[in-house]
Amino acid sequence: EDKVVQSPLSLVVHEGDTVTLNCSYEVTNFRSLLWYKQEKKAPTFLFMLTSSGIEKKSGRLSSILDKKELFSILNITATQTGDSAVYLCAVDNNAGNMLTFGGGTRLMVKP
Amino acid sequence: NAGVTQTPKFRILKIGQSMTLQCTQDMNHNYMYWYRQDPGMGLKLIYYSVGAGITDKGEVPNGYNVSRSTTEDFPLRLELAAPSQTSVYFCASSYQHNEKLFFGSGTQLSVL
Repeated sequence: EDKVVQSPLSLVVHEGDTVTLNCSYEVTNFRSLLWYKQEKKAPTFLFMLTSSGIEKKSGRLSSILDKKELFSILNITATQTGDSAVYLCAVDNNAGNMLTFGGGTRLMVKP
Repeated sequence: NAGVTQTPKFRILKIGQSMTLQCTQDMNHNYMYWYRQDPGMGLKLIYYSVGAGITDKGEVPNGYNVSRSTTEDFPLRLELAAPSQTSVYFCASSYQHNEKLFFGSGTQLSVL
């Protein structure tokens, strides 16, 4: 059975801190790993990663994949209160036709 | 550009009642999905569709039905509501399968 585990479950930081969120996975026929940000309701897409070692970057957010050790990290530098959200990781199993989501990491950024 | 629109936003059902969650997208995406999200859990796929007239089961399809008569619409039907179906439901669509999903704002459903 495919499995995606995110850590930590929750995190409280202050504005300006840097955070690292982790996503480890066990899937057969890995195709891609995706990160989403979920604020109040709808998840919004952040990154899709398919190759090891290639960093994807968008402003203060960046992510990288390690296909040998089966994990990805999402980094947020100089955090702002607007970064407060649940961050979801999902893995696409080429054979299963569905994404397997982790339980999410709840990030709270205090002023 | 409205994106993915879901209705209703909230609903309370009694056990055994039925209802349809509506979902429509205006991005001309072939791929559409229904997920449910239970507290503290990841999203689980209920059903998905790769195009008009084609639907397939996801991980947790029992108790639900879908149809896809047009590219734009992908309604989810609950026939005999049960307390285990209390959840938040998300509809999503994408241009390519399982890549960059666009989600609707969700429907919070309680079955009492």
